[in-house]
Amino acid sequence: GQQVMQIPQYQHVQEGEDFTTYCNSSTTLSNIQWYKQRPGGHPVFLIQLVKSGEVKKQKRLTFQFGEAKKNSSLHITATQTTDVGTYFCAGPRYSSASKIIFGSGTRLSIRP
Amino acid sequence: DGGITQSPKYLFRKEGQNVTLSCEQNLNHDAMYWYRQDPGQGLRLIYYSQIVNDFQKGDIAEGYSVSREKKESFPLTVTSAQKNPTAFYLCASSSDQQQGTGKLFFGSGTQLSVL
Repeated sequence: GQQVMQIPQYQHVQEGEDFTTYCNSSTTLSNIQWYKQRPGGHPVFLIQLVKSGEVKKQKRLTFQFGEAKKNSSLHITATQTTDVGTYFCAGPRYSSASKIIFGSGTRLSIRP
Repeated sequence: DGGITQSPKYLFRKEGQNVTLSCEQNLNHDAMYWYRQDPGQGLRLIYYSQIVNDFQKGDIAEGYSVSREKKESFPLTVTSAQKNPTAFYLCASSSDQQQGTGKLFFGSGTQLSVL
């Protein structure tokens, strides 16, 4: 069945270093969404990408959607302690657009 | 104050007992979802509903049941058939999932543990 995988599973960086997480789907996605979950919290929507090759920026965060619409990445420049949390990608299942499936997430921790 | 309310925050289940998790939204969203999150894991879809009086199984529906009698409410029952129910349960809603493009709004979750 359709799978959405994320790497790495964990990333521990020094504050100020950059961070990237990658999301790969076994099938083409009509769109991809990114969420952030702080420790002990619930996922919060960050952004949605729809177009092939699309790039969007939110301050220090850069999101990309692959040309084939099967992969995506989130890059954080100069991490801060407020970036700590788990980042998930999510997309609609090809067999049912209403079914949103999530990647396994990348947990980011930061050394001050 | 619009949003999604889940209750209770913590719930304990005895062996052989059914328990029901509440999820209420006042965002006027058509679609609602239940996800299960195990420690250090991603979110797995249990059930979802696109409209009142209709719901569909997700990837791990066995041992769970839902109802959608009102637009605002989507309760999840964890039955005794669910042998490993300990997890963090998240409810979400969305305004437009017909094309899979609506963003999900999540409640604060319910932590279910087995006594």
